[in-house]
Amino acid sequence: DTGVSQDPRHKITKRGQNVTFRCDPISEHNRLYWYRQTLGQGPEFLTYFQNEAQLEKSRLLSDRFSAERPKGSFSTLEIQRTEQGDSAMYLCASSPPPRLGNEQFFGPGTRLTVL
Amino acid sequence: GNSVTQMEGPVTLSEEAFLTINCTYTATGYPSLFWYVQYPGEGLQLLLKATKADDKGSNKGFEATYRKETTSFHLEKGSVQVSDSAVYFCALSPGTSYGKLTFGQGTILTVHP
Repeated sequence: DTGVSQDPRHKITKRGQNVTFRCDPISEHNRLYWYRQTLGQGPEFLTYFQNEAQLEKSRLLSDRFSAERPKGSFSTLEIQRTEQGDSAMYLCASSPPPRLGNEQFFGPGTRLTVL
Repeated sequence: GNSVTQMEGPVTLSEEAFLTINCTYTATGYPSLFWYVQYPGEGLQLLLKATKADDKGSNKGFEATYRKETTSFHLEKGSVQVSDSAVYFCALSPGTSYGKLTFGQGTILTVHP
């Protein structure tokens, strides 16, 4: 039984560069979430997918951020023209269909540092 | 909108001491409530949950009761261990099917031998 995996685990980039993160949810989990966590704070919701459809985006998700889940399996989160304020831990979580419960299982996160 | 407020930390206890971490929430409808734990160097793990008023969630000696009248979900453990040292997050999801989580700011717990 593999959990949620995220790649890379760490990313250091220079301001203005684009970065892309990948999340592989638990098999057969049709719901997928992205969160952002800054130091000393709880995670904040960014966006939600049900299968391949992106059903909600937080206002935290500026137009520099885009997320996809093209085949309803893995998801990518891209940040264009990174800024120092984007430095954070980016967390992915997945959960099964509602009839099987609402527990979200979290991946280890991708720590982004923008220099 | 929904919000979660946790007691400020850090919390430092001696082994076998009693633990309480306060959590209160603001939400419309009937949210589900959760406690997540983040051990050093690890990802978030669900510790316990409660989905309706007066439910008690429990796991690994930790307990929390969903109190709708006081909009609270306080985490308790009767006797903490050094291995309980971690960051604890209270969270809620709305009474809808997709369960977007709103987290508190987290409480750092350190347990000394």
